[in-house]
Amino acid sequence: GQQLNQSPQSMFIQEGEDVSMNCTSSSIFNTWLWYKQDPGEGPVLLIALYKAGELTSNGRLTAQFGITRKDSFLNISASIPSDVGIYFCAGRRNYGGSQGNLIFGKGTKLSVKP
Amino acid sequence: KAGVTQTPRYLIKTRGQQVTLSCSPISGHRSVSWYQQTPGQGLQFLFEYFSETQRNKGNFPGRFSGRQFSNSRSEMNVSTLELGDSALYLCASSSIPTNTEAFFGQGTRLTVV
Repeated sequence: GQQLNQSPQSMFIQEGEDVSMNCTSSSIFNTWLWYKQDPGEGPVLLIALYKAGELTSNGRLTAQFGITRKDSFLNISASIPSDVGIYFCAGRRNYGGSQGNLIFGKGTKLSVKP
Repeated sequence: KAGVTQTPRYLIKTRGQQVTLSCSPISGHRSVSWYQQTPGQGLQFLFEYFSETQRNKGNFPGRFSGRQFSNSRSEMNVSTLELGDSALYLCASSSIPTNTEAFFGQGTRLTVV
């Protein structure tokens, strides 16, 4: 099935550092969502974006809906050990007025050195 | 408010058997979607139900089916299980189909041996 290109695939960072990850697509999306998944759990919704250019924050997390509508970015500031996990982007397109299903990136695995 | 509940959490089945997984959405949510998650393919969309009707279907064989009940609870069924069906099956609920914020359950880990 179709998937988004998410990068980087994994990253190790020092506690306190800022983190950036992104998702790109060859297609336009109407909505971008960012999720975090811990081992053995389901994804938890972090941020939802609905408009091109939109910048939304949730605590130390900030996400942006790209102007071209083909990409999105997630930044985590001042990372802490509990930020460890896998972050997924997901996009949704409209088809003739109805919502399509969510399409997911393959995830960015974040590991933090204490 | 209780979240999305999936049962069972873990299942081990033999090739050729069939399996039924259950999902109870967040109270008041009427849209339920199912996803398969594997290390190789990531999260893949299976199908979406709203008001007991299937609205959308992913590219999975007919062995994968689902249904939704009048109370919005949903079940998915996989018949004639194959080894490649081993995966984490996730259910997500939304208040309505046009509401793009989907909330996931913890998933059911299916192992086919």
